[in-house]
Amino acid sequence: EVQLVESGGVLVQPGGSLRLSCVASGFTFSNYWMSWVRQAPGKGLEWVASIKHDGSEKSYVDSVKGRFTISRDNPKNSMYLQMNSLGADDTAVYYCAREARSVDYWGQGTLVTVSS
Amino acid sequence: DVVMTQSPLSLPVTLGQPASISCRSSQSLVHSDGNTYLNWFQQRPGQSPRRLIYKVSNRDSGVPDRFSGSGSGTDFTLKISRVEAEDVGVYYCMQTTRWTYTFGQGTKLEIK
Repeated sequence: EVQLVESGGVLVQPGGSLRLSCVASGFTFSNYWMSWVRQAPGKGLEWVASIKHDGSEKSYVDSVKGRFTISRDNPKNSMYLQMNSLGADDTAVYYCAREARSVDYWGQGTLVTVSS
Repeated sequence: DVVMTQSPLSLPVTLGQPASISCRSSQSLVHSDGNTYLNWFQQRPGQSPRRLIYKVSNRDSGVPDRFSGSGSGTDFTLKISRVEAEDVGVYYCMQTTRWTYTFGQGTKLEIK
């Protein structure tokens, strides 16, 4: 069974930094692109970033370019999202998702709240 | 970026009746490999999204056959043949043909 478990979401002050983690199980992690998708409270879904199975390619939505960095550690079946210079607009539930030319499995999400 | 526009945004439906959601893209979603990467997701209240349909019309394992997807190019539709109570939630289309991947605004289905 595919499982994706996110962690790291907390309350952080504006301008602060945070690293989210996602641990995968139930499939060969190193064979898949992986993504982060977020959802602000009461709002719709927004794709944030994706990373190729070997980490050699990454893509970001414009609003996080230069602030967020996606990475992965295949031996640890883990993916990360380093988030810097956080603002109120980054407040959201962040979902880890498996990508196979689509987004087929999602984690339960981790809540990031940016507030003073 | 490809803009995905869903309609309606609110969809009150009587149990047992059909429902239809439209999703239009600002550019063709036909990929250079010939596939069209248009997906539909269901998000029930308090839950993570769940994929229902991929590549326009392919139903995911475990998805009831009352759900169907159709369309081509820039115009796509999700249909529910007979709405059940468990179908309440928000439905999103998403394109994964072109970077930046983009979602529609979401359509909230409720029971009348």
